[in-house]
Amino acid sequence: QVQLVESGGGVVQPGRSLRLSCAASGFMFSEYTMHWVRQAPGRGLEWVAVISNDGTIKYYADSVKGRFTISRDSSRKTLFLQMNSLIAEDTAIYYCARDRRLDCWGQGTLVTVSS
Amino acid sequence: QSALTQPRSVSGSPGQSVTISCTGTSSDVGGYNYISWYQQHPGKAPKLIIYDVFKRPSGVPDRFSGSKSGNTASLTISGLQADDDTDYYCCSYVGRDSLNYVFGTGTKVTVL
Repeated sequence: QVQLVESGGGVVQPGRSLRLSCAASGFMFSEYTMHWVRQAPGRGLEWVAVISNDGTIKYYADSVKGRFTISRDSSRKTLFLQMNSLIAEDTAIYYCARDRRLDCWGQGTLVTVSS
Repeated sequence: QSALTQPRSVSGSPGQSVTISCTGTSSDVGGYNYISWYQQHPGKAPKLIIYDVFKRPSGVPDRFSGSKSGNTASLTISGLQADDDTDYYCCSYVGRDSLNYVFGTGTKVTVL
């Protein structure tokens, strides 16, 4: 069955970096657009970034533009989010999601930015 | 890009219907028919229940329906059940700009 599993979250100091991964299985990863979406504790969903199926097109929310980079490795069926210059406001559960419809989501990985 | 506006909460008795609105602008909700709705239970990942304004993924009951008029999309839940008591978010495609998608502020549905 379709499955997305995020990893790489943890506690990190402000200004540092973190790389999240999302391992895909059960579908043709190379055929799908992929997203990162985050949810701060007790808050709503915030779209973060999207990457086209072939990795050539990428877009970001203004709140992360210039600091975060989305990428993918289709040979490893894995989506990545490189997060640099982290700030407290980046504290959230980060989800990866499939397709322009965001029809399948992972369970999320928690990122906490704190000194 | 500001979040789409949803009511903070709506409520209804079992068996009744409730409607959640999702208001945006002509640049998002009003400009595209790529409106989706997600249900999220506490501690769980969001689940797609409506896409492309009114389409339902397989397995989603027809008690859930979507529509759009102008800059406002709506989700209607008919025949309310206890398990519908949770959070709902709308989402709209914005376009080929720095912000590709935008979510709504979220609505808590309470089954009385």
